Amino acid sequence: AQSVTQPDIHITVSEGASLELRCNYSYGATPYLFWYVQSPGQGLQLLLKYFSGDTLVQGIKGFEAEFKRSQSSFNLRKPSVHWSDAAEYFCAVGVLGSSNTGKLIFGQGTTLQVKP
Amino acid sequence: DSGVTQTPKHLITATGQRVTLRCSPRSGDLSVYWYQQSLDQGLQFLIQYYNGEERAKGNILERFSAQQFPDLHSELNLSSLELGDSALYFCASSAFPSGGSSTDTQYFGPGTRLTVL
Repeated sequence: AQSVTQPDIHITVSEGASLELRCNYSYGATPYLFWYVQSPGQGLQLLLKYFSGDTLVQGIKGFEAEFKRSQSSFNLRKPSVHWSDAAEYFCAVGVLGSSNTGKLIFGQGTTLQVKP
Repeated sequence: DSGVTQTPKHLITATGQRVTLRCSPRSGDLSVYWYQQSLDQGLQFLIQYYNGEERAKGNILERFSAQQFPDLHSELNLSSLELGDSALYFCASSAFPSGGSSTDTQYFGPGTRLTVL
């Protein structure tokens, strides 16, 4: 069955420090992978996506993610965290259904707290 | 701003009642997806419509139904509400029915927070 696991429920980093959020997926076919961010009281904003090709993808707000097929992982990174990055981060895998439909399966999310 | 709009932003109602949540997709998108975000279940796919037709169903209760109108906006109807239906309901849209499982991306609205008392 398809699934996404985000092992870290809550992470705290100091402002200016580097960040890595972990994501592991289970999907039998070529995965389409996404990271979304949800700021308090806001909707889900797409940070970046991986479809194929270069395994290191760049996103908005200085984020990047690396796809590692051998580890079934798609970890999100940022070299220097800003206070405004405090939010909840969701990793998702796109699943192809019948009739060429798609849906997203999300991980449980990681809440990022940034210390001044 | 993703271009997906949802109304209302907040909804407070009582058990047993019926509510309607509305979603307008991004300009040009034909596909609409509904998701529920709750504390115990996380973010779960409910249902998808493409160009007015239901295309896929997820973990949607029989008390819930949806439709997509000719102008492509969609409504999610929740009836006989229970305390456990309290959640944030998201709508997403994409150009094609394969959003998320292809190069077609799902873009999310701001959500409707439903509180059932």
